Amino acid sequence: AQKVTQAQTEISVVEKEDVTLDCVYETRDTTYYLFWYKQPPSGELVFLIRRNSFDEQNEISGRYSWNFQKSTSSFNFTITASQVVDSAVYFCALNSGTYKYIFGTGTRLKVLA
Amino acid sequence: KAGVTQTPRYLIKTRGQQVTLSCSPISGHRSVSWYQQTPGQGLQFLFEYFSETQRNKGNFPGRFSGRQFSNSRSEMNVSTLELGDSALYLCASSLDSTPGTDTQYFGPGTRLTVL
Repeated sequence: AQKVTQAQTEISVVEKEDVTLDCVYETRDTTYYLFWYKQPPSGELVFLIRRNSFDEQNEISGRYSWNFQKSTSSFNFTITASQVVDSAVYFCALNSGTYKYIFGTGTRLKVLA
Repeated sequence: KAGVTQTPRYLIKTRGQQVTLSCSPISGHRSVSWYQQTPGQGLQFLFEYFSETQRNKGNFPGRFSGRQFSNSRSEMNVSTLELGDSALYLCASSLDSTPGTDTQYFGPGTRLTVL
């Protein structure tokens, strides 16, 4: 069975703090893809990153960075120097080459000024 | 390039009615997926279409149906609405000739309220 767990339901931080959002996945497939999406209050899911199972290199994009560790089945997302505009719900998702994406339950991030 | 568009953005219906939601994918994208998002159940997969064919379907009752047209635009229909159908319905498109390898891009959603 495939599953994505985002254990953190809600996180509150003060602006400029660093914050890490956790994502743990389960799959028996050797080839799979992991995604992070951001959902601001407007409702639209915004694509942030895609990583395939054969690429364990960490990635940095501006204030965002992702840590993919197959040994622990985790794909964590860190925002450095958080800003109020980062306030949103963040979803981690898994796809194992099927037509269906499995989403986690999301983590609501509140960045306070 | 224009993003995924969904119409209408908001709908209010009463129990027993039916509703049709529309989704226009990004130009060139041939796969369209639909999701239901509720506070209690999160994001749940409804179905996915590619080249006018339904390739996969989630665990929803037969009241939920969809179709895709030759221009890749898609519609979903919910018949005999129930209060529990109140949700944000999200459409996503991707190039996706090989499942799962392409990124899904989402529309703004249609918020359906059933009274």
